[in-house]
Amino acid sequence: NAGVTQTPKFQVLKTGQSMTLQCAQDMNHEYMSWYRQDPGMGLRLIHYSVGAGITDQGEVPNGYNVSRSTTEDFPLRLLSAAPSQTSVYFCASSYEEGTQPQHFGDGTRLSIL
Amino acid sequence: SQQGEEDPQALSIQEGENATMNCSYKTSINNLQWYRQNSGRGLVHLILIRSNEREKHSGRLRVTLDTSKKSSSLLITASRAADTASYFCLPAAGAGGFKTIFGAGTRLFVKA
Repeated sequence: NAGVTQTPKFQVLKTGQSMTLQCAQDMNHEYMSWYRQDPGMGLRLIHYSVGAGITDQGEVPNGYNVSRSTTEDFPLRLLSAAPSQTSVYFCASSYEEGTQPQHFGDGTRLSIL
Repeated sequence: SQQGEEDPQALSIQEGENATMNCSYKTSINNLQWYRQNSGRGLVHLILIRSNEREKHSGRLRVTLDTSKKSSSLLITASRAADTASYFCLPAAGAGGFKTIFGAGTRLFVKA
């Protein structure tokens, strides 16, 4: 049981490049979410999903796309990277949002030059 | 959506002392969760207290909840250097209460 796995752990991109951050969980959780954390701050919700085929926007969705084709995977795509997207990205999953604890991955540290 | 506000923003104590951090929120909740984040790592769930509970313990952790004051506190007894981390509270509205919002947290530093 690996929990929530995020790849890659580190990535450097140039402005304008696109990339996909991967997130997988093996706990059969329905709810998955993506957050970004900037230095000294809390986590801000980017997108979330309540099950396969269902996604919705969080607090800061601009510049990001998500899809949920399976229960296990919830990739986050940066369409055209900008320096303002330099951050640490965390993926989390839960049996149900709002009633059960969330399990977090160890994050992807992304730098946009 | 619902957001908790942690207080103080930062706390520095000696090993062996107790650490208390507080959380306030604005609307009705189903439960309130506390998380810890060690430097460079993801958040780890510590404890969940439901709205009909007033106090909950887990090892050296004690959480209280006062729904009339819309506040919660996390007490860590006999702190250790390994407790150095950021602590976040998450007031949750229950199923369907989406758009989870984390506050800035309390940064705890335990000096050895």
